[in-house]
Amino acid sequence: DAKTTQPTSMDCAEGRAANLPCNHSTISGNEYVYWYRQIHSQGPQYIIHGLKNNETNEMASLIITEDRKSSTLILPHATLRDTAVYYCIVRSRNSGNTPLVFGKGTRLSVIA
Amino acid sequence: DTGVSQDPRHKITKRGQNVTFRCDPISEHNRLYWYRQTLGQGPEFLTYFQNEAQLEKSRLLSDRFSAERPKGSFSTLEIQRTEQGDSAMYLCASSSPVTMNTEAFFGQGTRLTVV
Repeated sequence: DAKTTQPTSMDCAEGRAANLPCNHSTISGNEYVYWYRQIHSQGPQYIIHGLKNNETNEMASLIITEDRKSSTLILPHATLRDTAVYYCIVRSRNSGNTPLVFGKGTRLSVIA
Repeated sequence: DTGVSQDPRHKITKRGQNVTFRCDPISEHNRLYWYRQTLGQGPEFLTYFQNEAQLEKSRLLSDRFSAERPKGSFSTLEIQRTEQGDSAMYLCASSSPVTMNTEAFFGQGTRLTVV
């Protein structure tokens, strides 16, 4: 079962930052936080992952709280193309062989 | 590198018929995963291959489902005696030993409708 809790849906105005929260209060020390997104009628797409430090790449930033029990994915300037379901996944660092376990995710709607 | 390719993109079949889907992973990826996704749900894991070996199967994978990856390259997923409850999107993903702890790459899926 998924070990994360996310809001079912969120809206964001185009051009504004989208902040997507995720609760993972039972995360263990060797588990990473991964974010994927799924645009309608496409397969999921990797966004970013992190352990305890904040991470940033060309797509997004990931902010992980000090106690690691929650995190926030930030899309700094949301566009209409960012409308998608966003999945927060907790996964062991050494679980390259094991599948990703998806929850229901957060449906982000970017509004013009 | 054209990414993960799945064929067909859409399949409509009558209940009781057999269907087979194909997945071509990214060429150097030795790990291949099959997922199923129904409306409003996240993808659910079905089975996983490392090279040609099928290493794990979900309890969701009933006896009517079989997956193969004969030469460690492409994979097929067959559903026998389809039921209406099999209607779903079937997703394939692949990963490499280099990126296995970072990301899996997904195909666009095969949408199955059983009528």
